[in-house]
Amino acid sequence: GENVEQHPSTLSVQEGDSAVIKCTYSDSASNYFPWYKQELGKGPQLIIDIRSNVGEKKDQRIAVTLNKTAKHFSLHITETQPEDSAVYFCAATRLTGNQFYFGTGTSLTVIP
Amino acid sequence: EAGVAQSPRYKIIEKRQSVAFWCNPISGHATLYWYQQILGQGPKLLIQFQNNGVVDDSQLPKDRFSAERLKGVDSTLKIQPAKLEDSAVYLCASSLAGGKETQYFGPGTRLLVL
Repeated sequence: GENVEQHPSTLSVQEGDSAVIKCTYSDSASNYFPWYKQELGKGPQLIIDIRSNVGEKKDQRIAVTLNKTAKHFSLHITETQPEDSAVYFCAATRLTGNQFYFGTGTSLTVIP
Repeated sequence: EAGVAQSPRYKIIEKRQSVAFWCNPISGHATLYWYQQILGQGPKLLIQFQNNGVVDDSQLPKDRFSAERLKGVDSTLKIQPAKLEDSAVYLCASSLAGGKETQYFGPGTRLLVL
C-alpha cells in the first residue's frame, strides 16, 4: 500500500515569515494530494489539493507544489499569521480509490 | 449549513467494556466515513458508506468493531470489547458523492480506554 512521510513534525516561524511542509509518497499510482488543517479539538479541514496533472496550485497565501518524478509534494504558507497555528496533514490517494493515506502531521506555531 | 455532528465528544471506559459513537452527516451527503486518529498520527480510514451500503471496510477490525448506517443518514460505530490500543479520536466525515469530493470532518470523539 501507500506510505506517506511528512516533515518536519514541528515547525515554529515568526509572524510574517513563510512556512514549508514536505511530504513524500511511495505509490507512483497516487494522483490526488490534499492538505488538511486541524485546529485543537476540531476535525481536519481541507485547505488545498492538487492533482497529478499539474505541478503547482495557489490559493491566496497557500500554495502546493508537486514533483511526480521524485514523488514529493509540499505546502507553502506565505505571510504567516497566528491563526495559521495548527496541525497540518498531507495525504495521498488514487482518484479511483477510497483510501486516503495521511502523513503523521506537522504542528505549526506562528509566533506573534 | 450545519456541519457534521458527533457525540459524545469524550468517553472514558475500562478495557473489555463496550462503547458506541454516533455521527450525523451534513444533510444530503451520500458518503460517510469513520476514521481512527491515534495521537501523533494521521487519520486512518476504518469504514466508508455510500448511502446505507458499505464501500470499504478493509481496515476495520471486524472482530471488535462494527458500524451501521441503517437509513443512509446517521451512523453508529461500536467497539466491543475495547482494548487499550483503541484509545484514539474517532472522526466522522461526510461528502456529497464520495470519490474525491471534499470530505467534511466532525469534531471527533476522544476515547480513552483504561
